Amino acid sequence: DGGITQSPKYLFRKEGQNVTLSCEQNLNHDAMYWYRQDPGQGLRLIYYSQIVNDFQKGDIAEGYSVSREKKESFPLTVTSAQKNPTAFYLCASIRGHIKQGIKRGMTEAFFGQGTRLTVV
Amino acid sequence: DAKTTQPNSMESNEEEPVHLPCNHSTISGTDYIHWYRQLPSQGPEYVIHGLTSNVNNRMASLAIAEDRKSSTLILHRATLRDAAVYYCILNGGTSYGKLTFGQGTILTVHP
Repeated sequence: DGGITQSPKYLFRKEGQNVTLSCEQNLNHDAMYWYRQDPGQGLRLIYYSQIVNDFQKGDIAEGYSVSREKKESFPLTVTSAQKNPTAFYLCASIRGHIKQGIKRGMTEAFFGQGTRLTVV
Repeated sequence: DAKTTQPNSMESNEEEPVHLPCNHSTISGTDYIHWYRQLPSQGPEYVIHGLTSNVNNRMASLAIAEDRKSSTLILHRATLRDAAVYYCILNGGTSYGKLTFGQGTILTVHP
């Protein structure tokens, strides 16, 4: 079955350590996204990538890094520069929709089940 | 980026219709309107999306105002499983590729 998988589900990190969250999709989707969600809050965009080897900063990119070496994979590294990393992290993928050479907007996005990161 | 405005919370009774509003007064002509919902401790799931015409699917209906500055997600008969946070977002045109969520509307369904 096609889908998007995040791992691990729970992750504990010591202060000062970098940690990498995995996101893999086998939906052949072009675009992938990383979001952060704090308790009782909405989703905030960290980074997104529309094609391989290219990505853009979202609204809260500081302290995070990403790579997009393969279409299926979009790992997120939470660096020691991120001062408050404890949060719920969500990855999403979406197939772009281009009609007659014009970008017409995205089709439905698929989300992973999330990784809950806790700094100890 | 075009932004959306939704009420913080709404309540409904089971088996009654629910109308969830969304304002997007700065929407551009090529922005699609998307709706997602999120259950506790889960990733959001797609509900519906549209451009200009009203849309229906098995989950809900989307009513888009003629001037496209607002839209309404309609759940025809709310169930307890519909209790979730509902997000209205825009994508397309100048904001193509950037999928930005707001705070959403917390829907409570009473038995």
